[in-house]
Amino acid sequence: EAGVAQSPRYKIIEKRQSVAFWCNPISGHATLYWYQQILGQGPKLLIQFQNNGVVDDSQLPKDRFSAERLKGVDSTLKIQPAKLEDSAVYLCASSSGQVGEKLFFGSGTQLSVL
Amino acid sequence: QQQVKQSPQSLIVQKGGIPIINCAYENTAFDYFPWYQQFPGKGPALLIAIRPDVSEKKEGRFTISFNKSAKQFSLHIMDSQPGDSATYFCAASMNYPPLVFGKGTRLSVIA
Repeated sequence: EAGVAQSPRYKIIEKRQSVAFWCNPISGHATLYWYQQILGQGPKLLIQFQNNGVVDDSQLPKDRFSAERLKGVDSTLKIQPAKLEDSAVYLCASSSGQVGEKLFFGSGTQLSVL
Repeated sequence: QQQVKQSPQSLIVQKGGIPIINCAYENTAFDYFPWYQQFPGKGPALLIAIRPDVSEKKEGRFTISFNKSAKQFSLHIMDSQPGDSATYFCAASMNYPPLVFGKGTRLSVIA
């Protein structure tokens, strides 16, 4: 079974620039998540999609972050403009959406904002 | 914000030892408690999970102990091996994802 695919693997930008991350979940998984993992901390949820609708984006800094899920499959997360504190690993995860169903994570995109 | 507090931050054990990682939660509505394992450069992967209707669950060398009254749960790794060296995260959720994660414990198993 193919896992969750993310790209790019690494990205280095200067503050105030924009950046976009891409995620392709496991085939058939209805639920997709974007998590932010700052060095030395646990993943923090940014946004959750169920098919192509947003379920929870309460912790997404909407003044600079945006996300969409195209046709209920692939998803992109964008930051514009980036700040130094956005340096982190951005993890995409997917699940079937059932209660207690395990999350499958991608390897993440490591973002460095200089 | 709902929190899951994890300790210790780091742990070093000898091969064959039994590292124990602890987590505490506040929200009594949480009903699903997984542990995730993360290797450098990889995303977290589910290791084992428990629901509050049982006090212990074992899968291979990994055991979760759950204390509902104390609102605490812990991960024990029996006969630890160097390959178990990784960062371990406890997490919790209620009724439905998403998960709230602890800050992680970096485990080093030395031969």
